[in-house]
Amino acid sequence: GDSVTQMEGPVTLSEEAFLTINCTYTATGYPSLFWYVQYPGEGLQLLLKATKADDKGSNKGFEATYRKETTSFHLEKGSVQVSDSAVYFCALGTGNQFYFGTGTSLTVIP
Amino acid sequence: GAVVSQHPSWVICKSGTSVKIECRSLDFQATTMFWYRQFPKQSLMLMATSNEGSKATYEQGVEKDKFLINHASLTLSTLTVTSAHPEDSSFYICSARDGTGRGLKETQYFGPGTRLLVL
Repeated sequence: GDSVTQMEGPVTLSEEAFLTINCTYTATGYPSLFWYVQYPGEGLQLLLKATKADDKGSNKGFEATYRKETTSFHLEKGSVQVSDSAVYFCALGTGNQFYFGTGTSLTVIP
Repeated sequence: GAVVSQHPSWVICKSGTSVKIECRSLDFQATTMFWYRQFPKQSLMLMATSNEGSKATYEQGVEKDKFLINHASLTLSTLTVTSAHPEDSSFYICSARDGTGRGLKETQYFGPGTRLLVL
């Protein structure tokens, strides 16, 4: 069945470092892919999304490209800030089904 | 953008009481809403899918008599935890899909969550 595999954390980076959080998926159809962010004590916020192969989602300096050939949707940011500390979830949506990765905790230290 | 609210944001109750959590889509009509449960430092666990005007579809292992879901309108779904016990303490999050056709239909918009503590 469809599923999402996400890089395990926790990840700790210094401010202004480069961030990559890996996400790969398995799907029988043509899913949409998402990254959600959860700040401490809060619900999930949609960070970015991509609907088809080669689409690039971007928001707040974060980017992810839908790669069909490698079935990946890695999240990247060129220069992280302390305020980016949160848990990041990769997700796959197809029809009425939604699949989440296990989440990756990111801590950015000054 | 699409906004989903939840009420209450947190609740403390005694064991044996029932707790109702509301989930509202504020600026769009949500034909489908989802209820999740999240344990500390873990991912979201889908509990049930709620469609307006019909019975909710529960995931395997989720007791439908324990977690009553009512999707009364296109903007409101409620989750009632009946006869709550300490093991029901958790973070409950709802999400909704925009049924009006705006944006991407698979996109789920999440509420801020409700933290339940059963004493």
